[in-house]
Amino acid sequence: EIVLTQSPGTLSLSPGERVTLSCRASQSVSSTYLAWYQQKPGQAPRLLIYGASSRATGIPDRFSGSGSGTDFTLTISRLEPEDYAVYYCQQYGSSLWTFGQGTKVEFK
Amino acid sequence: QLQLQESGPGLVKPSETLSLTCTVSGGSISIYSYYWGWIRQPPGKGLEWIGSISYSGNTYYNPSLKSRVTISVDTSKNQFSLKVSSVTAADTAVYYCARGWLRFDYWGQGSLVTVSS
Repeated sequence: EIVLTQSPGTLSLSPGERVTLSCRASQSVSSTYLAWYQQKPGQAPRLLIYGASSRATGIPDRFSGSGSGTDFTLTISRLEPEDYAVYYCQQYGSSLWTFGQGTKVEFK
Repeated sequence: QLQLQESGPGLVKPSETLSLTCTVSGGSISIYSYYWGWIRQPPGKGLEWIGSISYSGNTYYNPSLKSRVTISVDTSKNQFSLKVSSVTAADTAVYYCARGWLRFDYWGQGSLVTVSS
């Protein structure tokens, strides 16, 4: 089973700042099988990025994904007030799905 | 627009079986290549994949829950269901149903299930 480790656990940032979130896999993951989600309090997760770098429908272009192998990154180019949330990476492999433990982006 | 809606009891007693149903509207559950999954989130914690079922009925379960979980699909009702047996307080969580294979692109709003006597 592939374990995803996200870092940092919490980021305290101000609006307008650049955000870089890390997701590291315990073994190599196909880029096709790596996704990122945003979750706000009381809401279901929302798909942001799939295939490591493709934005889902309706996702602003300030969100971007990159990486390969065991290291993946979600970047928010300029943090907007509505971006404060918890972000999860997720992978699919060998008929199993796993999530990272999440990174919280909070207001500084 | 595809919509998913979870339904089922919000309170389950310890040792009993948790049962939830996800009703899909705005599209057919039996479209080729789509999988349907259950994900849960204990209060204040992260997401845990429980299991998924393919359009053809093949099931895939989280190894840590496999002995207690059953997922099934009823294409005539456009629904799929989750059963978790022998529940304990550790099974208290918001349970989400979602559509997805490589990623989960449509989610239900979630259903809080509390395990308590």
